[in-house]
Amino acid sequence: GAVVSQHPSRVICKSGTSVKIECRSLDFQATTMFWYRQFPKKSLMLMATSNEGSKATYEQGVEKDKFLINHASLTLSTLTVTSAHPEDSSFYICSARDSLGGNNNEQFFGPGTRLTVL
Amino acid sequence: KQEVTQIPAALSVPEGENLVLNCSFTDSAIYNLQWFRQDPGKGLTSLLLIQSSQREQTSGRLNASLDKSSGRSTLYIAASQPGDSATYLCAVGGGSYIPTFGRGTSLIVHP
Repeated sequence: GAVVSQHPSRVICKSGTSVKIECRSLDFQATTMFWYRQFPKKSLMLMATSNEGSKATYEQGVEKDKFLINHASLTLSTLTVTSAHPEDSSFYICSARDSLGGNNNEQFFGPGTRLTVL
Repeated sequence: KQEVTQIPAALSVPEGENLVLNCSFTDSAIYNLQWFRQDPGKGLTSLLLIQSSQREQTSGRLNASLDKSSGRSTLYIAASQPGDSATYLCAVGGGSYIPTFGRGTSLIVHP
C-alpha cells in the first residue's frame, strides 16, 4: 500500500521557537495533503488542506500565520509551527491522497508528530 | 456540516468474542467511508475503505458495512484477540474527499 512518512516523530522545543514538520508521500504523487491535529482522547481536527503550488486552505479558527504550510512538490508538504507556545503541544498528523486517482481516493496517513512545547 | 458519531465510546471484551462497532453520519452525500485503527501515540492505519457505491468490504477477520440511506456503518471484528486492542476511528469522505472523523471507539480485548 501507499506510504506517507512524517519527520520528526517527536520534538520538544522551548516556547517561542519555530518547529517544522515534514510530510512525504513515498510512492505516489499527492497534489493535496491534509494536516490534522489531535488532542488527547479526541478525534482528529482538520487544520488545513495543503495544495501543491498554491496557498493552503485553512479551516475556520486556524491561524494561517501561526501554522505555515508549504507544499513545494508533489511528494512533500511542510507545516511550520511559528513561535510555539505550550498550548500548541499536540499530536500532528498529515495525510495524502493519490492524485492520479489510484487506490480509490483512499486517504493515507503519516505516523504523526508529537510536539511538546516547554 | 457532516457530523460523525461512534458508539460505543469504549468497549472491553474477553478474547474470542465477536464484536460490532458503530458509526453514524448525518449527511448521506458521501464519497466513501474509511475505518482506521490507532494505537496509543501512533498514527492511523487504514483498515477498510468502502466506496459510496459499495455495501461492504472484508479483510481477514474484519468486515465493514455501509448503509448510506440510513447514515450508518458497522465494523465487525470476528474472534477478537488482545492484539486488536486499539482505538478505531470512522472517517466519512465528503466534498473534495476531505474526511470527517468520529471520536473513535476505544477497544480493549483482555486475555
